[in-house]
Amino acid sequence: GQQVMQIPQYQHVQEGEDFTTYCNSSTTLSNIQWYKQRPGGHPVFLIQLVKSGEVKKQKRLTFQFGEAKKNSSLHITATQTTDVGTYFCAGWDSGTYKYIFGTGTRLKVLA
Amino acid sequence: GAVVSQHPSWVICKSGTSVKIECRSLDFQATTMFWYRQFPKQSLMLMATSNEGSKATYEQGVEKDKFLINHASLTLSTLTVTSAHPEDSSFYICSAREWETQYFGPGTRLLVL
Repeated sequence: GQQVMQIPQYQHVQEGEDFTTYCNSSTTLSNIQWYKQRPGGHPVFLIQLVKSGEVKKQKRLTFQFGEAKKNSSLHITATQTTDVGTYFCAGWDSGTYKYIFGTGTRLKVLA
Repeated sequence: GAVVSQHPSWVICKSGTSVKIECRSLDFQATTMFWYRQFPKQSLMLMATSNEGSKATYEQGVEKDKFLINHASLTLSTLTVTSAHPEDSSFYICSAREWETQYFGPGTRLLVL
């Protein structure tokens, strides 16, 4: 079946360092969303990317959608302790139209 | 943005009892809602797609007789865990789709003793 893998699975960074998580789908996605889930919380929508090659920025966060619409990345510049959480990508598979979550990347920021 | 509520937020029950979880879209109508389950330190796994006025579509490996889904209106879907067992203890999250964006409920933590 379709898989959406994220790497790395875990990342510990020192506060102020940059962080990137990569999302790779085995099939083409019609669009992709990114979520942040704090420990004990539910996924909170961050952003949606629709177009091939699209790049969007939200303050220190930069999101990119691959040209083939099968991969995406989230880059955080100068991490802060408030960035702690698990970041998930998710998207609609353009064939089955199922909404699939990535495996997630758990970020820990050390002060 | 759109708001999705879930009730209850947490529930503890005895093994063998049934638990009903409600998912409501508060300020929009959702013809499709989704139910996910998340075990600790794992990703969200889609259990089923709930369609208003018709039967839910279950993912492979999810027992439809155990996880009863009802989507009787455009703003309400319910998930009933029947004859719950300790292995059903998990975090259950619903979501509702408005256009291409998914909005998630706050989740329900179920602990079966």
